[in-house]
Amino acid sequence: ETGVTQSPTHLIKTRGQQVTLRCSSQSGHNTVSWYQQALGQGPQFIFQYYREEENGRGNFPPRFSGLQFPNYSSELNVNALELDDSALYLCASSLAWGFGERGDTQYFGPGTRLTVL
Amino acid sequence: GQNIDQPTEMTATEGAIVQINCTYQTSGFNGLFWYQQHAGEAPTFLSYNVLDGLEEKGRFSSFLSRSKGYSYLLLKELQMKDSASYLCAVRDQYGGATNKLIFGTGTLLAVQP
Repeated sequence: ETGVTQSPTHLIKTRGQQVTLRCSSQSGHNTVSWYQQALGQGPQFIFQYYREEENGRGNFPPRFSGLQFPNYSSELNVNALELDDSALYLCASSLAWGFGERGDTQYFGPGTRLTVL
Repeated sequence: GQNIDQPTEMTATEGAIVQINCTYQTSGFNGLFWYQQHAGEAPTFLSYNVLDGLEEKGRFSSFLSRSKGYSYLLLKELQMKDSASYLCAVRDQYGGATNKLIFGTGTLLAVQP
């Protein structure tokens, strides 16, 4: 158990719709990262939030957006869903920046499986 | 560019030892992580290397050579429950995200009786 939770577990949407995925970070962690994992692939970095501000973004279009709240919970929003958005969406929480003995390890939640029809 | 290579699949026998290799070429480097991922589940942290050498943790060990852009994960005394995908990930500071991980596609390990 990592202490990171996500909801919902599964979700089915149709093309063009919008979706919001939620993540609750491990207690005390102030950084959250979101990843997209297509079937048979490794996770791809979407973006990261630190103290409620975006702190880096991968190669994803602006229709992927996020929020982080003062209690360190966060959301991933995807607008105008496309078929290729079907994937497992993972959030990972960690401490601060990339330093420390354990390298500020990212701990993953169980993911949300999104299917776009 | 950013590239992380690891074998797609491996098979090993229960009780044996297996080594999963990972080579990387990234614009920045601030540590290499290994994660285990069972089908349909979240990646689980196994090990972290930032300096050259071997890190041992029970049945699992991980090695890093920064000059060669190379790491391996060594699993000893294999158990059936070790059947999973093993993900190699590099923390890359390029682009402003100081805790961004770049993942390989994963190595699917099948442990046979």
